[in-house]
Amino acid sequence: SAVISQKPSRDICQRGTSLTIQCQVDSQVTMMFWYRQQPGQSLTLIATANQGSEATYESGFVIDKFPISRPNLTFSTLTVSNMSPEDSSIYLCSVTGGQGDTQYFGPGTRLTVL
Amino acid sequence: AQSVTQPDIHITVSEGASLELRCNYSYGATPYLFWYVQSPGQGLQLLLKYFSGDTLVQGIKGFEAEFKRSQSSFNLRKPSVHWSDAAEYFCAVGPGGYNTDKLIFGTGTRLQVFP
Repeated sequence: SAVISQKPSRDICQRGTSLTIQCQVDSQVTMMFWYRQQPGQSLTLIATANQGSEATYESGFVIDKFPISRPNLTFSTLTVSNMSPEDSSIYLCSVTGGQGDTQYFGPGTRLTVL
Repeated sequence: AQSVTQPDIHITVSEGASLELRCNYSYGATPYLFWYVQSPGQGLQLLLKYFSGDTLVQGIKGFEAEFKRSQSSFNLRKPSVHWSDAAEYFCAVGPGGYNTDKLIFGTGTRLQVFP
């Protein structure tokens, strides 16, 4: 399976600011995804990061709030914009090697918004 | 609508005891099924998965799970729990048909292990 790293591992931010989270994979992958895990909750898919094109967002998530980039097959970023305390969550990226492949997850970024 | 239910929010067992974590799903077709584990402060690690074939699947760390179509269940089991198994366990389903993109996760079961 791929080795996935995320930066930062955790951060504490002030409301109204933005934070960009990086996801780096040690090999080329077909699909990359971003999830949110709110405190005490399960994982919710935010969007699919598409290489070379705009991300595909799930219902309830919009590009203005969570802009995503994916410049190549090993790297993606998620920005949490104009943050509020409700954005305090763990943000995880995941990858698959292709259709029918298992999703593997990064270690997550723990975000606290004050 | 598709859904995954993990009825047990919190389970406590003694070290060495057997374990069964329940997972029920609601899905139109035969889905892909997964169990992930999340240790404190960590990401998710895949324990095992079911795509097709033998309904009893073996995973890492001595875990196994059984797919029961008639009961729409995919329960996770381990015959003897170790203290290091204390973690949060998530059941997830994918739509099947060679599509593992849109995973739906259950709300998780927190396992506590007493010595």
